[in-house]
Amino acid sequence: NAGVTQTPKFQVLKTGQSMTLQCAQDMNHEYMSWYRQDPGMGLRLIHYSVGAGITDQGEVPNGYNVSRSTTEDFPLRLLSAAPSQTSVYFCASSYGIGGYTFGSGTRLTVV
Amino acid sequence: TQLLEQSPQFLSIQEGENLTVYCNSSSVFSSLQWYRQEPGEGPVLLVTVVTGGEVKKLKRLTFQFGDARKDSSLHITAAQPGDTGLYLCAGIRSNAGNMLTFGGGTRLMVKP
Repeated sequence: NAGVTQTPKFQVLKTGQSMTLQCAQDMNHEYMSWYRQDPGMGLRLIHYSVGAGITDQGEVPNGYNVSRSTTEDFPLRLLSAAPSQTSVYFCASSYGIGGYTFGSGTRLTVV
Repeated sequence: TQLLEQSPQFLSIQEGENLTVYCNSSSVFSSLQWYRQEPGEGPVLLVTVVTGGEVKKLKRLTFQFGDARKDSSLHITAAQPGDTGLYLCAGIRSNAGNMLTFGGGTRLMVKP
């Protein structure tokens, strides 16, 4: 029972590079979301999806794109990385208004 | 300004002491959740409270949801070093796609 799987665990990017953070869940959850965690600020919502083919913006969406072509996968794309995007990124999924299951995170550094 | 304000931000206590963490907002939430996060890992759900005034107990942890569903508290009795971690409250608003809004977290250290 894998739960929510995030890859990679660590990544270093140069300013201006693009990349995709992968997120997959095997629990058939409809809700999936991406958060970033910065020191002293808790977790902030970037984008979310309430089902395949449906995505919406969260609190801090600028500089990120998402798509949800399947129930299982919810990749997060950084279009042109900036130092301000240095953070720890978490993907989460839920079956509804119950508890969310989080992945173990991707630590991203943009230099 | 965060929608959910947690206090205190940091707490360092001795094993055996009691503590309370607060989570306050001016907004109403349909439910509120508490998570615990260890270094290098994602948050793990501890409890969900849904009804105003609800109290839930999980061994030495007691969670309370305010009557107006705007605030919550987490009380730990006889803290142990294994309770050390980052405690996060998160609210769900029905008009926000049922997504979580997190507080800033309380970092707890329990010294033996």
